[in-house]
Amino acid sequence: QKEVEQDPGPLSVPEGAIVSLNCTYSNSAFQYFMWYRQYSRKGPELLMYTYSSGNKEDGRFTAQVDKSSKYISLFIRDSQPSDSATYLCAPQTGNKLTFGGGTRVLVKP
Amino acid sequence: GAVVSQHPSWVICKSGTSVKIECRSLDFQATTMFWYRQFPKQSLMLMATSNEGSKATYEQGVEKDKFLINHASLTLSTLTVTSAHPEDSSFYICSAQASSGVSDTQYFGPGTRLTVL
Repeated sequence: QKEVEQDPGPLSVPEGAIVSLNCTYSNSAFQYFMWYRQYSRKGPELLMYTYSSGNKEDGRFTAQVDKSSKYISLFIRDSQPSDSATYLCAPQTGNKLTFGGGTRVLVKP
Repeated sequence: GAVVSQHPSWVICKSGTSVKIECRSLDFQATTMFWYRQFPKQSLMLMATSNEGSKATYEQGVEKDKFLINHASLTLSTLTVTSAHPEDSSFYICSAQASSGVSDTQYFGPGTRLTVL
């Protein structure tokens, strides 16, 4: 079993819809929970991160962490075609990131 | 701020040759740098962690004699793939962290695509 599981998608939504992404993890030692966006043939770009269970909002993005169920979510409101990318969850312990497999998102105009 | 560059962005080499990839933090000093490898449609896998002035720490299954890492300054780390073979063809991505603090963000470079013929 992988330490971090993520549905590979692709997840196709119409422009303006809410995109819902999630990951599950197995390592209780993870302390920080990162979400990265990766465009094709580019390096990952940090979107946001959370530390404790609960919600964190940044513009159109909301990250949720439920440590009791080891479940991480990212929501994108008012999705745009420019949001089309692969989204990677990456829990962190110490300074080591463990990446999920990524979910490919397609936002259609 | 927090820009990380990589050079080259892509490279094609013959089997058996060595290839060097550079990773630079352009506007901050990186105490720690990380090297990842990403195969097509797969996620990033950490290869090694390097701290300036000390030997790199390699992940299990990564051959340290094949993937030579040098972190000679606070703004530059290099990865040399020695005696490259077609199975080493991959997308190599570095990241840099300003300090070794657990909450410090890793900033990623744009990646280097290596193709070994």
